[in-house]
Amino acid sequence: GAGVSQTPSNKVTEKGKYVELRCDPISGHTALYWYRQSLGQGPEFLIYFQGTGAADDSGLPNDRFFAVRPEGSVSTLKIQRTERGDSAMYLCASSPGTGGEQYFGPGTRLTVT
Amino acid sequence: LAKTTQPISMDSYEGQEVNITCSHNNIATNDYITWYQQFPSQGPRFIIQGYKTKVTNEVASLFIPADRKSSTLSLPRVSLSDTAVYYCLVERGNTGFQKLVFGTGTRLLVSP
Repeated sequence: GAGVSQTPSNKVTEKGKYVELRCDPISGHTALYWYRQSLGQGPEFLIYFQGTGAADDSGLPNDRFFAVRPEGSVSTLKIQRTERGDSAMYLCASSPGTGGEQYFGPGTRLTVT
Repeated sequence: LAKTTQPISMDSYEGQEVNITCSHNNIATNDYITWYQQFPSQGPRFIIQGYKTKVTNEVASLFIPADRKSSTLSLPRVSLSDTAVYYCLVERGNTGFQKLVFGTGTRLLVSP
């Protein structure tokens, strides 16, 4: 079946602009995670959804970052007033339940100029 | 969760067996050891998970000694396509939600 998909694959934006990154999890997966990965580093946790609600958003770096999952499937990560330091690969993962293997998407590479 | 330490990089040749060791000295009783693989421009992919002794699947083997303070990922007869970053993680068991904590991983380069 289809894996986790993320759009766009690449996004270039200017400092100060607003961006939205989309994640389509594997069908039927109730858990959805967002991670951010800087060059040469491992992924860092941002936020976790169980169904429609954000169960843990402790990894969001500040209030410019926000994520939603209104219908318990597709999720959107929103970044306001982007800064050059936000440049990174943003990864989405899903899993069937609250535990178990996480299936990652290919990521969205965000570049803030 | 226990911090993990693994080599920054390793080199190998096609056909050789590669062993990547990870230390997790402060692992707790209900923690599991999980390994993920990541190719450039892709998300990480689950390889294997274990609690103790030995686990084997079609991709790799995982060896965990009795004290569980370290683990070794073994890749038999590597090929060029095994060039990737390998992450060792410790996951808390029986808690449901898992916030995966990745280190910097081990960059494996397989040469012809």
